[in-house]
Amino acid sequence: GAGVSQSPRYKVTKRGQDVTLRCDPISSHATLYWYQQALGQGPEFLTYFNYEAQPDKSGLPSDRFSAERPEGSISTLTIQRTEQRDSAMYRCASSSGLAGGYQETQYFGPGTRLLVL
Amino acid sequence: SQQGEEDPQALSIQEGENATMNCSYKTSINNLQWYRQNSGRGLVHLILIRSNEREKHSGRLRVTLDTSKKSSSLLITASRAADTASYFCATGARGGADGLTFGKGTHLIIQP
Repeated sequence: GAGVSQSPRYKVTKRGQDVTLRCDPISSHATLYWYQQALGQGPEFLTYFNYEAQPDKSGLPSDRFSAERPEGSISTLTIQRTEQRDSAMYRCASSSGLAGGYQETQYFGPGTRLLVL
Repeated sequence: SQQGEEDPQALSIQEGENATMNCSYKTSINNLQWYRQNSGRGLVHLILIRSNEREKHSGRLRVTLDTSKKSSSLLITASRAADTASYFCATGARGGADGLTFGKGTHLIIQP
């Protein structure tokens, strides 16, 4: 595709519900990243994929957060039993090179704004 | 945790003036990138400077990197109203996790 796309753009949910966010990276990009951005802050790294492999989950805030990229293209981020503190912008990015080497530019999607009531 | 620290937190200048933003970081890096975020829009990559580079230009943007001081600066020349945005520096850690570590950003306002 022309750029990174994410859906939904906005999500309002009630505390305790599960939510799944989707990211469609730039086609042929090997690496996909997930970030969480609180209001007034810079994005914070959650996790990343090299194709379908997920070498680093260190940024995931808790075991309620999980991510998948089963076929090495589209990825989903799932938050189980949402809490109000999960309210944030969730951003996805992709890059052409394989992370772990010489890092390249990351291209960001528009984000999903999640509000947990 | 956020490694980069942009300075100033907010900056307001007149259109046509130059804007300078600084970024300091803590650990060794592979590269440093600058991003822009407009209100309600996504993050747009501006420029990447590698750890073995000292200065880089792209249009009206000039970035410097001083690895001995662990700092970088972004200069926007001849500012325009459309440059109003938040600017973030982001570092890629050498040997560390491969996600970028962002600062809190500098909010730049260009007065017409």
